[in-house]
Amino acid sequence: DQQVKQNSPSLSVQEGRISILNCDYTNSMFDYFLWYKKYPAEGPTFLISISSIKDKNEDGRFTVFLNKSAKHLSLHIVPSQPGDSAVYFCAASARSGGYQKVTFGIGTKLQVIP
Amino acid sequence: DTEVTQTPKHLVMGMTNKKSLKCEQHMGHRAMYWYKQKAKKPPELMFVYSYEKLSINESVPSRFSPECPNSSLLNLHLHALQPEDSALYLCASSPPLRRWQFFGPGTRLTVL
Repeated sequence: DQQVKQNSPSLSVQEGRISILNCDYTNSMFDYFLWYKKYPAEGPTFLISISSIKDKNEDGRFTVFLNKSAKHLSLHIVPSQPGDSAVYFCAASARSGGYQKVTFGIGTKLQVIP
Repeated sequence: DTEVTQTPKHLVMGMTNKKSLKCEQHMGHRAMYWYKQKAKKPPELMFVYSYEKLSINESVPSRFSPECPNSSLLNLHLHALQPEDSALYLCASSPPLRRWQFFGPGTRLTVL
């Protein structure tokens, strides 16, 4: 049972346009959400996060939106650049005692076309 | 030093071998994690260490044995693995009071 779902396995976007990556979750205990970017032969790199008490967080070209009622979050990249081409993982975190457990989605492969 | 290092990068082992994966960070993070990632699948949590103590074991078979000798080092000892254990093994650490994790590049493990 996938608790974090990324239903689009891949996405192609023209350079300079907006990339929108979507993520849905099912577990109401998740209280923190993260996006990671992964290049081939590297580990995931933390990109941006959002707490469940917020609905938007922005960092430069990257913005994450959270809709708690719909259990949906999205990552907007604008403008998209060829260097953004990578696999993007959505992740959700719940506190368990003094530590956190992170659940990842399956990833969306973004290709930004020059 | 702002990275997590993992050795070796690649490992091929037989089902009767004993080997170890090593992970190191010098960022002062007190939480460290082992994940397993199969092709076209998300990383799956295996173990969490918090302040050098095992906090979470996600029902991982005993042929995987984690060890945290000190706050900078995390090992994963492997013994009698199966071919289906072939995967990318990722180590991660997280800063105090922060919810994100720094990942290493992973060890690509092949069990013959």
